[in-house]
Amino acid sequence: QSVLTQPPSASGTPGQRVTISCSGSRSNIGTNTVSWYQQLPGTAPKLLIYSNNQWPSGVPDRFSGFKSGTSASLAISGLQSEDEADYYCAAWDDSLNGPVFGGGTKLTVL
Amino acid sequence: QVQLQESGPGLVKPSQTLSLTCTVSGDSISSGGYYWSWIRQHPGKGLEWIGYIYYSGSTYSNPSLKRRITISVDTSKKQFSLKLSSVTAADTAVYYCARESRYCTNGVCYSNFDYWGQGALVTVSS
Repeated sequence: QSVLTQPPSASGTPGQRVTISCSGSRSNIGTNTVSWYQQLPGTAPKLLIYSNNQWPSGVPDRFSGFKSGTSASLAISGLQSEDEADYYCAAWDDSLNGPVFGGGTKLTVL
Repeated sequence: QVQLQESGPGLVKPSQTLSLTCTVSGDSISSGGYYWSWIRQHPGKGLEWIGYIYYSGSTYSNPSLKRRITISVDTSKKQFSLKLSSVTAADTAVYYCARESRYCTNGVCYSNFDYWGQGALVTVSS
C-alpha cells in the first residue's frame, strides 16, 4: 500500500493531452515538493519533473507538473507512442522522515 | 555524467543476508549535498524507499525495514553498500541505487532522485 495514491492506469491517443493524479497528505505533498518519474519497460526510473514543476535537462516541455494542496498532477501533452510507460510521483514525508512514492500509473497510448 | 552501477549476487537463500554494492562514477560521494540511496521494486509493483547514507556516514532507513538494514559507504572506492539480513521471498525485488538531491528550507523539503543505477534483480530462493 503506497503512501501516495495514483490511478493504476491511464490512456490516450497520439496527440492527446493526458493527466495523471497523485494524492497525498499534509505531511508529504501538503508541505513538500513533488517529483515525477518515468519508467519505460525494463528500465530504471528517470526523473521527469522535480520541485513540482521543474524540468531536468533534456526533458521535453510536453511534460508538466502541478501541485495544489495535498494533490499533484502530471500532464503530458502531444502524447506520443514512446510515452507509454509507468509514471510515479514522490515527495518527502515529514512523518516518515524519508521519501514516499505513489503506486505508479501505467500509461497506454492507444 | 553521473553513473551508478549495482553489483552483487542475484540469488540469496532464505534467512541469509542480501548484499549489494553501488559504484558511483562521474561524481564524488564525498562532495556533499547528496544522499546516496537504495530503492527497491517488487515484481510488477511500485517503488519502495529502503534508506540512504550521507558521505559522512550518517544513515537513515525505512522504519519498516530498519532493524534488518545496514548501509555503509567507502568514499575512497566511490561505493556505498546495502546489507539486508534475514531475507525471505518477500524481499525478492529489483534493487536500485540512486542519488537523492535534497535540501530543506523554511519548512519545505525539496527532494528528488536525479540519477539511478540500472537495477539489480535479487531473488530469494532456496
